Amino acid sequence: GAVVSQHPSRVICKSGTSVKIECRSLDFQATTMFWYRQFPKQSLMLMATSNEGSKATYEQGVEKDKFLINHASLTLSTLTVTSAHPEDSSFYICSANRDTQGNSPLHFGNGTRLTVT
Amino acid sequence: GDSVTQMEGPVTLSEEAFLTINCTYTATGYPSLFWYVQYPGEGLQLLLKATKADDKGSNKGFEATYRKETTSFHLEKGSVQVSDSAVYFCALKGLNTGGFKTIFGAGTRLFVKA
Repeated sequence: GAVVSQHPSRVICKSGTSVKIECRSLDFQATTMFWYRQFPKQSLMLMATSNEGSKATYEQGVEKDKFLINHASLTLSTLTVTSAHPEDSSFYICSANRDTQGNSPLHFGNGTRLTVT
Repeated sequence: GDSVTQMEGPVTLSEEAFLTINCTYTATGYPSLFWYVQYPGEGLQLLLKATKADDKGSNKGFEATYRKETTSFHLEKGSVQVSDSAVYFCALKGLNTGGFKTIFGAGTRLFVKA
């Protein structure tokens, strides 16, 4: 089956620093990837849609200057949390569709747990 | 906008009990519906899906039927096992401004006791 790899799985950083999270589709090309944020005991909140070769589309309320998304190739999207603060501590999950059909499911990375001290 | 509402957990059952996790949705048009499962320490993975009204998705003994008249997609399993302990997410995928997006319910945590 389709595999999405996300790295790192855990990261601890100091307040004010930036953290980059990578998401790779290993056996398919993904023109679109999605970044979600999962709060403890809560659902996944869609942060942005990452589009290969163009700007990401951010959901309402998500700061695009804080959460920088780059989708430089058909198999790699990166999320950079800039000037991280403790309130950015969360579980970040990337996902991708194997094809562009409306009924195709998402394939998920295993997530990155970010802790900002 | 589109939304998904599923029953709050946690749900605690004994092994071999019957499971129902309710899920209802609000959407324009005709979305596809999904159940995803997140086992402890792992990412989400697709459990089953249905793409049109009256479709039944099934996998690993779990079933859910796309009911357009009641806008529901309840998850059921006749006999749960300890290994089914996980968080279950109901989701819909519909066409929104900017393309297809997947919207998730809040998740329901299931504990199965031996």
